[in-house]
Amino acid sequence: AQSVTQLDSHVSVSEGTPVLLRCNYSSSYSPSLFWYVQHPNKGLQLLLKYTSAATLVKGINGFEAEFKKSETSFHLTKPSAHMSDAAEYFCVVSDTGRRALTFGSGTRLQVQP
Amino acid sequence: DGGITQSPKYLFRKEGQNVTLSCEQNLNHDAMYWYRQDPGQGLRLIYYSQIVNDFQKGDIAEGYSVSREKKESFPLTVTSAQKNPTAFYLCASRARQGARGANVLTFGAGSRLTVL
Repeated sequence: AQSVTQLDSHVSVSEGTPVLLRCNYSSSYSPSLFWYVQHPNKGLQLLLKYTSAATLVKGINGFEAEFKKSETSFHLTKPSAHMSDAAEYFCVVSDTGRRALTFGSGTRLQVQP
Repeated sequence: DGGITQSPKYLFRKEGQNVTLSCEQNLNHDAMYWYRQDPGQGLRLIYYSQIVNDFQKGDIAEGYSVSREKKESFPLTVTSAQKNPTAFYLCASRARQGARGANVLTFGAGSRLTVL
């Protein structure tokens, strides 16, 4: 079975400072990994995806993530936080057996002015 | 524009009543999914369907039922057997395996169900 662990339930940063949201995964083979973002009472939007091509993946809104197989990690980063980045972020691993996705428990990002 | 439409956005139900949440997509996607979201628990898979007239239970199917009579539609019924139905429900779809973007889920805006 595959799983993801988001290491922080809440992260608070100041506007203009870097963002780091941590994710570790467990998979018996090469996974596909994703980060989704959810603003309050909204659906989820894809930020970026890793599907065994380049290990450094660039997404929308200046976010990027690096796949590190040796550490089984897929951390999400952004050099400079904006107020509009405040949302909940989900790390996700694909489950090819069911063609469904397994979600982490989420990290709520707060951005302070 | 193509997308997924969920309705209603907000729904209130008395205990013991069944309710049906609608999910319609015009993306021509083969697979559709229902997830339940509770605070601090991420999303959990209720049911999924990879093709018309076929569906499978997810991780928390008890107290729920679905149908897939049309490719575009995947309604979810929350029955009175569901012990704790108050939650945010998200519908998603995905293109057929092998198609471009097939490993990416597209989500609807969600339906919030509150049991009074």
